[in-house]
Amino acid sequence: DADVTQTPRNRITKTGKRIMLECSQTKGHDRMYWYRQDPGLGLRLIYYSFDVKDINKGEISDGYSVSRQAQAKFSLSLESAIPNQTALYFCASSGTPLGDTQYFGPGTRLTVL
Amino acid sequence: GENVEQHPSTLSVQEGDSAVIKCTYSDSASNYFPWYKQELGKGPQLIIDIRSNVGEKKDQRIAVTLNKTAKHFSLHITETQPEDSAVYFCAASKGGGGSYIPTFGRGTSLIVHP
Repeated sequence: DADVTQTPRNRITKTGKRIMLECSQTKGHDRMYWYRQDPGLGLRLIYYSFDVKDINKGEISDGYSVSRQAQAKFSLSLESAIPNQTALYFCASSGTPLGDTQYFGPGTRLTVL
Repeated sequence: GENVEQHPSTLSVQEGDSAVIKCTYSDSASNYFPWYKQELGKGPQLIIDIRSNVGEKKDQRIAVTLNKTAKHFSLHITETQPEDSAVYFCAASKGGGGSYIPTFGRGTSLIVHP
């Protein structure tokens, strides 16, 4: 079984809709991350969490919110989706002692019409 | 903040040739440099990394070199095979206050022709 799972894998929605992307990890890691990937732009950090009570904004947090429901679960929400949020979204986790190596999920392809 | 530049954006080679991808970084305090491989339809996966106290690291057909003075690091793949075709990302990060939050390059699409 995959260590980091994401649901859904694909989602098509309309402008203005609220969307939630979910992530779970079975690696026992304390740190979790959400990234956005756009062609030619690499991976950009949206939010990250170092433990259940710790939430931090990344490079491109505007228009997004997150919830860390448990050590193993980290969800990303788009309160009112817009077309330029169409992208591939990745969840990742990393663990102690350094938390330097990240383990990525398979990604969620989101299309906002 | 950190800025990572990655070149080239696309690299096309014949099977058996070598491939080199180069990255530069701006923050001299960065001390951890991972490389990730992303196959089609999958998430990135770490393939090799190097820390600032080491100049070179090898793992079978792949190697990474680091020049701290020039602030650049490179990925070398020898004897390329079709299964090496993927998008490769470099990243730079630092511990302590940076807590190893990586800044990624924009990626290199490597195409290995049989």
